[in-house]
Amino acid sequence: AQRVTQPEKLLSVFKGAPVELKCNYSYSGSPELFWYVQYSRQRLQLLLRHISRESIKGFTADLNKGETSFHLKKPFAQEEDSAMYYCALNSGNTPLVFGKGTRLSVIA
Amino acid sequence: EPEVTQTPSHQVTQMGQEVILRCVPISNHLYFYWYRQILGQKVEFLVSFYNNEISEKSEIFDDQFSVERPDGSNFTLKIRSTKLEDSAMYFCASSEMAAENTGELFFGEGSRLTVL
Repeated sequence: AQRVTQPEKLLSVFKGAPVELKCNYSYSGSPELFWYVQYSRQRLQLLLRHISRESIKGFTADLNKGETSFHLKKPFAQEEDSAMYYCALNSGNTPLVFGKGTRLSVIA
Repeated sequence: EPEVTQTPSHQVTQMGQEVILRCVPISNHLYFYWYRQILGQKVEFLVSFYNNEISEKSEIFDDQFSVERPDGSNFTLKIRSTKLEDSAMYFCASSEMAAENTGELFFGEGSRLTVL
């Protein structure tokens, strides 16, 4: 069965510090991985997907099939990055499976 | 920019009562979804809907749940006889293509259901 694990419920970093939000997945096939973000009082929205290999708002994520990971990284955190971040898996035959989410708090 | 809208934003109901949560998907989208999130837990898939029928549903989506697209714009989730454990945030989402193909879902702001 497909599963997404985000081991950290809360991650606090200082402004300007690097950020890494961890995501591990369990799926035997070739997955598509995504990061969704939910800012305070806003809706859940797509942040980035691994197939596009792009940087959005300074965030990047690399799919590591060997480690079955898709960690989200940003070299210098900003206060506006504070939000809930959800890693999600698309296995191709079921709708998106989400992790439990990690709350990122960037401290000024 | 078009958005998915959901009503009500918060509903409080007594156990055993019927609840209908409403969603207006983005107008040119063809695929519709309901997810729920119990407080402190992950966002869980309930059901997907395409071409006026359910295309997939999870184990959570039992006989107490139903979905309907009563007209050209609304997409509703009905819970026939609510239980305490139905208390959650319910998210509606829509997509232009099947999520299995794009992975991008557009979410509403959610309807918080509290069952007393």
